[in-house]
Amino acid sequence: AQSVTQLDSHVSVSEGTPVLLRCNYSSSYSPSLFWYVQHPNKGLQLLLKYTSAATLVKGINGFEAEFKKSETSFHLTKPSAHMSDAAEYFCVISGGYNKLIFGAGTRLAVHP
Amino acid sequence: SQTIHQWPATLVQPVGSPLSLECTVEGTSNPNLYWYRQAAGRGLQLLFYSVGIGQISSEVPQNLSASRPQDRQFILSSKKLLLSDSGFYLCAWRPLEHTQYFGPGTRLTVL
Repeated sequence: AQSVTQLDSHVSVSEGTPVLLRCNYSSSYSPSLFWYVQHPNKGLQLLLKYTSAATLVKGINGFEAEFKKSETSFHLTKPSAHMSDAAEYFCVISGGYNKLIFGAGTRLAVHP
Repeated sequence: SQTIHQWPATLVQPVGSPLSLECTVEGTSNPNLYWYRQAAGRGLQLLFYSVGIGQISSEVPQNLSASRPQDRQFILSSKKLLLSDSGFYLCAWRPLEHTQYFGPGTRLTVL
């Protein structure tokens, strides 16, 4: 069975400081992994995806994630947080029929 | 370009009333379609997926049902809503590659 675990339910950073949102996964085969962002009362937007190509994946809005098989991790990072980054972030793994299995989410707060 | 629509955007319904949420996709044919629910403060749970007209797979037993009467139309229904059906319902579709794109969602409140 496949699963993802987001290690922090809430992360708070100051504007201009780095962002780290942690995600570990469990999969019996090489997974496809994603990060989605959800702004309040909005649908989900794909930030980036990993599908067995380069292990360092660059996404939109300056976000990137690194797939580390030895650590079964897919952490999301950004060098400098912006106020507009405040949202909920979901780490996601793709299952059979491309069904997506979502982590519980990490709420990112950005303070001035 | 492809676009996914959902309506209504918000809905308040009494317990025991019926439900019909609609999702349509433009600009593609024979997409895989998905219904997810997000309960307050929780992640998304896959409810149904469809790989073609009339083909529906249910992921969890529940008070809801889904139908796909047309290639690009996916409907989520209930005959009698429960309080626990409240949540944010998202429709998604899958293009050829390993990606799903989500609609804007419907926020359902059952009172």
